[in-house]
Amino acid sequence: QIQLVQSGPELKKPGESLKISCKASGYTFTDYAMQWVKQAPGKGLQYMGWINTQTGKPTYADDFKERFVFSLETSASTAYLQINNLKNEDTATYFCARGGYWGQGVMVTVSS
Amino acid sequence: DVVMTQTPVSLSVAIGQPASISCKSSQSLVGTSGKTYLNWLLQRPGQSPKRLIYLVSKLDSGIPDRFSGSGSETDFTLKISRVEADDLGVYYCLQGTHFPHTFGAGTKLELK
Repeated sequence: QIQLVQSGPELKKPGESLKISCKASGYTFTDYAMQWVKQAPGKGLQYMGWINTQTGKPTYADDFKERFVFSLETSASTAYLQINNLKNEDTATYFCARGGYWGQGVMVTVSS
Repeated sequence: DVVMTQTPVSLSVAIGQPASISCKSSQSLVGTSGKTYLNWLLQRPGQSPKRLIYLVSKLDSGIPDRFSGSGSETDFTLKISRVEADDLGVYYCLQGTHFPHTFGAGTKLELK
């Protein structure tokens, strides 16, 4: 069955970086783009952008053009979200998604 | 960006009664392919979102036919014919026609 399994929760300080993983299984990884979505605590869903899993080309929504990097490890069927120079407002749950399939989310807390 | 206006913000429904959620987009969601990329998602408390409906009216696998989607261009509706306890959570519409994809603000379904 199709699954997207994400890495575990993160607690970071402002200014640090992190890298979240999203491991896909049950389908051919390069057949579908991978999307990323942010959900701040108690808030709605915000689309961050997507990465072409065939070419590795990322496309970012305007709010995520700075400090955010989508990448792939195709041999491992894994997509990554890196956030640099973390800010308090990056505290959120981050989801990867492929069509109707979503990862379980990674809770990121940024606090000094 | 396309603005998705979702109403109501919250909905209190008794078991067995119908429910309806509206989603209006700020521009037509008909894509260049002629397809309309309008989805409905349900996020149960503490869970990741789950897609219920895609392309306006197509039910995802395993979604009961109590759920139905309709609409065109800029005006869309999700209906639940008979609400069950398992239906509680926050419903989101999501447009995937225009980049960036955008979500409605959500409708919280509570049981009366």
